[in-house]
This record gives sequence, structure tokens and C-alpha cells, in this order.
Amino acid sequence: DAKTTQPPSMDCAEGRAANLPCNHSTISGNEYVYWYRQIHSQGPQYIIHGLKNNETNEMASLIITEDRKSSTLILPHATLRDTAVYYCIVRGIQGAQKLVFGQGTRLTINP
Amino acid sequence: KAGVTQTPRYLIKTRGQQVTLSCSPISGHRSVSWYQQTPGQGLQFLFEYFSETQRNKGNFPGRFSGRQFSNSRSEMNVSTLELGDSALYLCASSLPLAGGTADTQYFGPGTRLTVL
Repeated sequence: DAKTTQPPSMDCAEGRAANLPCNHSTISGNEYVYWYRQIHSQGPQYIIHGLKNNETNEMASLIITEDRKSSTLILPHATLRDTAVYYCIVRGIQGAQKLVFGQGTRLTINP
Repeated sequence: KAGVTQTPRYLIKTRGQQVTLSCSPISGHRSVSWYQQTPGQGLQFLFEYFSETQRNKGNFPGRFSGRQFSNSRSEMNVSTLELGDSALYLCASSLPLAGGTADTQYFGPGTRLTVL
């Protein structure tokens, strides 16, 4: 699975959009980009995933660049409850369910 | 649909003891994966079970083992506990999809193990 690079920490004001970047320059054609978040000492929560096209669900939007070497997770109207560590993970389509977690981005939403 | 459940939520053991943790996947999910999370090493993959068979294993010593039952529930066991085994143990379940396609994993709340 390709390696990802994320900033270690970010801040965002409550009510504003939080944009979390992720670099995955070695991603291959059959690998998805997954985003999870982990609120302190809880299990990681699935947010969204995508292959090539931009994706949106009730939690967030995922923007993947055309060359697929980077992506951005967007939380449109951040709340204090969005304070968490956000993990960007690249994973192949076939076979093993193993997820390789990096250090993630610690996002702090400020009132 | 109920989420992934893990029992117990908290556990305190002493060095040398063994421990068994339990995971009940989301109804209909057949794959169960286990992860260990520590402050120093982060989240690391332990192993995955599908249809009662271990399909994939991470880089952990043989003291860490698991199994899966016919109802897809899974247990993991750690024998001869060491201080460094203190961690949050997470279980995740997924379908997976037909043809071996990997599906989204959903995590449980974890079991916090403290080894004294």
C-alpha cells in the first residue's frame, strides 16, 4: 500500500470549513484513498473514501487531484466535536483488509 | 444496525498472565481485523480473520493469537503478558465484497488493557 504524508496538526475556527491535505504520490491505479478519524481514546470512525472522483457524504467531501497524488478532506462547517486525529490511508482494492495507519493530522476546532 | 462491540472495555492484568478479548462484528460482516494502538507505535495491524481462517498477520510475536467462530465473532488472546502489551486493542469488521474485493472496515470502541 502507498505511503501517505499529512501535516501533524492543524487548527480551524468553529463554523468554518476545515481542509485537511494528504499526499500519496506513490498511489497506484487500483488503490483507494480512505479517511478515518479518531476522537480521543475511541475507535477510529470511518468518514469517506474514493478512487478517482470527488466524493461527498453527510460527514465530509473528498477531493482527489486528477493525477491522484494528493487529496483533501473537507469538513464544511466544523464544530467542536470534529476535534480529532484524522487519518488518510491508501489501500488496495483486492485481498487483505489490513489498514496501515500513519501519524495522522491532529485537528483542533477552536470556538 | 448495531455497531462493532468489544468486551470488556477495560482490563487490568499483571505480567505473566494471559488475556482474552472478544469482538462481535456488525451483523452480516464476515471479516474481523484486530489492531493494537500504543502511544509509541500508533495503530498497528495484528491479524485478520475471514470464515474462521486467519488471512493476514502483522508483525507481532506468537504470544498474540486469535480465532473466529462460525457466527463471525472473534477473540484474540495474549499470553505471558508484558508491560509493553498495555494498549488499546481495536477490532474492525467488514463484509468483504464478492471476488475478494476489500470493503470498508468499521471499528469498535476498543478494549483498554493495562498490564501492571
